Amino acid sequence: RKEVEQDPGPFNVPEGATVAFNCTYSNSASQSFFWYRQDCRKEPKLLMSVYSSGNEDGRFTAQLNRASQYISLLIRDSKLSDSATYLCVVDSGTYKYIFGTGTRLKVLA
Amino acid sequence: GAGVSQSPSNKVTEKGKDVELRCDPISGHTALYWYRQSLGQGLEFLIYFQGNSAPDKSGLPSDRFSAERTGGSVSTLTIQRTQQEDSAVYLCASSLGLAGSYNEQFFGPGTRLTVL
Repeated sequence: RKEVEQDPGPFNVPEGATVAFNCTYSNSASQSFFWYRQDCRKEPKLLMSVYSSGNEDGRFTAQLNRASQYISLLIRDSKLSDSATYLCVVDSGTYKYIFGTGTRLKVLA
Repeated sequence: GAGVSQSPSNKVTEKGKDVELRCDPISGHTALYWYRQSLGQGLEFLIYFQGNSAPDKSGLPSDRFSAERTGGSVSTLTIQRTQQEDSAVYLCASSLGLAGSYNEQFFGPGTRLTVL
């Protein structure tokens, strides 16, 4: 089993739709969880951290389910500019961070 | 302020040649990571530097790969006798490296390496 697994997609959604991605992780000792965004042929950039209580940043909501070992990202009212690959990142229990292969989102006009 | 910079942005080389990739981290960042990203793949951890501590080289795929960090700042990743499977984007990231908490990793634009 991979340490961090994501559905590669692509998720093709119309503008204004709500879309959700999940990411599962295997290390129950992991403490830090993040979503990064990567545009085509660009470097990854931090989108948001994921806290135990869940957190929201505008149209984006991230949640953590420790019992089932997954994190989720919900995007409401999708914009064309949200089209990108979303990378799930989980700490390995040390300073190392494991990146998922990413979920590709395409928002269609 | 300046972000993480990497050079060259693109490198095309012939199989068997050595290449050197450079990373300039954000000033004041003590932690520096090298990753490799192949087409359609996630980021593969290669090596980690933290301050003056011995680097964690556990992700280096073979002894053809080496990296150093001079003066706690600039880092170079060297690939000797390149192979076609080394073709990928090599990404460098730096962070504050503070103990006990996650420090956001800031990535450079990467070096796209093509081995013919």
